Amino acid sequence: AQTVTQSQPEMSVQEAETVTLSCTYDTSESDYYLFWYKQPPSRQMILVIRQEAYKQQNATENRFSVNFQKAAKSFSLKISDSQLGDAAMYFCAYRSGSSGSRLTFGEGTQLTVNP
Amino acid sequence: EAQVTQNPRYLITVTGKKLTVTCSQNMNHEYMSWYRQDPGLGLRQIYYSMNVEVTDKGDVPEGYKVSRKEKRNFPLILESPSPNQTSLYFCASSLSPGGGLNEKLFFGSGTQLSVL
Repeated sequence: AQTVTQSQPEMSVQEAETVTLSCTYDTSESDYYLFWYKQPPSRQMILVIRQEAYKQQNATENRFSVNFQKAAKSFSLKISDSQLGDAAMYFCAYRSGSSGSRLTFGEGTQLTVNP
Repeated sequence: EAQVTQNPRYLITVTGKKLTVTCSQNMNHEYMSWYRQDPGLGLRQIYYSMNVEVTDKGDVPEGYKVSRKEKRNFPLILESPSPNQTSLYFCASSLSPGGGLNEKLFFGSGTQLSVL
């Protein structure tokens, strides 16, 4: 079974600075997808960024980028130029490429952005 | 507007009193699922459904039931709720169960359940 681990329960960053959230996963599969979701106080689950395992190039979405290290099974999220609106719970998630739409989530990292 | 609608958003109940959390999607999605979110544990899948009349257990199915009589609806039923089922619940859906390359999972807005 796949597992996802986020070892940082809480992180904080100053506004306009850069922060990196860590995520590691364990799988024996070669075909899979990785995601970062943001959950603000509204509880809405918002997809931030996704990465296909077969792609070597790291995904980027505006101020959000990932560092995908397939051999190390690491998938960190970098938020550049942090904004107050980035404050939220962030979840890393794994999805198998062969067994459907089920997501396996990490424990979450609560990000605080200080003005 | 394409969405997954959950009701209610908040629910307080007492141990043993049967309850149902409704979930409906308007996107003709085949795949629907339920997750529960607990502090320090992230989200864990309770049940999922690949299509009408097809349901299966996820990681934490004990104490829950589901049904999929219609494509759009996927209610979560707690026959005899207990305090350890106090949690934040999410319904989610996607177009197909195959999890294709561009498959996106749509989440409802969550139901905060407290069982006293």
